[in-house]
Amino acid sequence: ILNVEQSPQSLHVQEGDSTNFTCSFPSSNFYALHWYRWETAKSPEALFVMTLNGDEKKKGRISATLNTKEGYSYLYIKGSQPEDSATYLCAFKTIQGAQKLVFGQGTRLTINP
Amino acid sequence: NAGVMQNPRHLVRRRGQEARLRCSPMKGHSHVYWYRQLPEEGLKFMVYLQKENIIDESGMPKERFSAEFPKEGPSILRIQQVVRGDSAAYFCASSPPMVGYGYTFGSGTRLTVV
Repeated sequence: ILNVEQSPQSLHVQEGDSTNFTCSFPSSNFYALHWYRWETAKSPEALFVMTLNGDEKKKGRISATLNTKEGYSYLYIKGSQPEDSATYLCAFKTIQGAQKLVFGQGTRLTINP
Repeated sequence: NAGVMQNPRHLVRRRGQEARLRCSPMKGHSHVYWYRQLPEEGLKFMVYLQKENIIDESGMPKERFSAEFPKEGPSILRIQQVVRGDSAAYFCASSPPMVGYGYTFGSGTRLTVV
C-alpha cells in the first residue's frame, strides 16, 4: 500500500516569515512527485511536477526540492503573504501505476497578518 | 479554454436512489481521474479512464459504483442505491497524455445522501 506522509498537518506563520514543509514517499519505484495548492472553496491547482532526483523547481516565492533516494520533497515559501493561506498537497506516482496519483493528507497553512 | 467542468456542484439524493456525476475534461486532455474526499479525509483515488477504456479502477468500491468515459460526451461516475456513507465531495481531474504535466481539477460535486 502506497503511503504519502505530509508534515506538519497544520502550520501558522506570521506574514513576512518564510516557511517550509515536508512530503515523504516510498523511495522504490519512483516515477513522479507533484505539489498542489488548494484554497478553500476552490479546486486543487498544480504547482510543480518533479521527476528527477535533485530537481529544484521555483514559481515566484514558492520553491520545491526532491530527493528520490531517501523519499522526500520539501516545499518552501519565502516571505509569506496572506494569499498563501491554503492546503498544500503532495502526490506521488510509481512506475507501475504511472498515471495514478496518490495524495498525502496535506499541510494546512495559515498566514497571520 | 474552459477548465474541467463538473456538474452538478451539489447533489442531494435519498437513500436507495441513483447519483450520476458528470465531468467534461479540459480540451486536449485524454485522461480522466475521479477522486473522493470523505469528511475530514484527503483525496482518495477511485478510477482512471481514457476514452472508452477503464485503465485503473483499483480505488472503486466493488459494488454500486461504476464509471465510464464514452467516445462522445462527458465522463460519468454512477453510484447506485446510495447510502449515507457515500456522502462526500467527488472531484474529477484531467491531464494530457504526455508525462510531466500536473492534473487540472474540476470544482467537485458535493453529494449529500439523506
